[in-house]
Amino acid sequence: GAVVSQHPSWVICKSGTSVKIECRSLDFQATTMFWYRQFPKKSLMLMATSNEGSKATYEQGVEKDKFLINHASLTLSTLTVTSAHPEDSSFYICSARLAGHYNEQFFGPGTRLTVL
Amino acid sequence: AQKITQTQPGMFVQEKEAVTLDCTYDTSDPSYGLFWYKQPSSGEMIFLIYQGSYDQQNATEGRYSLNFQKARKSANLVISASQLGDSAMYFCAMREGEYNQGGKLIFGQGTELSVKP
Repeated sequence: GAVVSQHPSWVICKSGTSVKIECRSLDFQATTMFWYRQFPKKSLMLMATSNEGSKATYEQGVEKDKFLINHASLTLSTLTVTSAHPEDSSFYICSARLAGHYNEQFFGPGTRLTVL
Repeated sequence: AQKITQTQPGMFVQEKEAVTLDCTYDTSDPSYGLFWYKQPSSGEMIFLIYQGSYDQQNATEGRYSLNFQKARKSANLVISASQLGDSAMYFCAMREGEYNQGGKLIFGQGTELSVKP
């Protein structure tokens, strides 16, 4: 089956630092990846759609300069949380859509970010 | 307006019994897809079942079936013969438009299912 990995699985950082999260499709090429944010016991909120070779499309209310997304290849998208603050602490999940596939997105295991 | 609504924040079911998790949706797009995902405490999102808006029959995948009532805009998940390992959060999600148009998913609020031994 299609596998998506995320790295790191958890990270703790100091306020004001930047954190990069990687999302990789391991056994397929993904022209489109998605980044979600999830608070405890809450739903997944789509942050942005990442398309290979082009700029990401951000959802309303998501700061582009705060959450930098790069989709440099068909198997890798990165999310960088710049100048992180405690309110950015959350569970970040990526998913990848299999090119030409029609049924489901394949999700990564998530990254838990804690900003002190 | 909420596009996907799950009205049951939490549900309990006895082991080996069946349980229905509710999901209603709102869209004016004639083409859409409905998904159910399971999220255990580890956080991973596990795909369970898919129903396309033009599918004539209800989707089934093992112990999971989707009760698709298009006129009522509902897509309830039925889990038969519940197992302890079914305890998790369950999310209903919708993709509006054809599958090759973006593919953005909108998620419901989730239902936390607890299976009692």
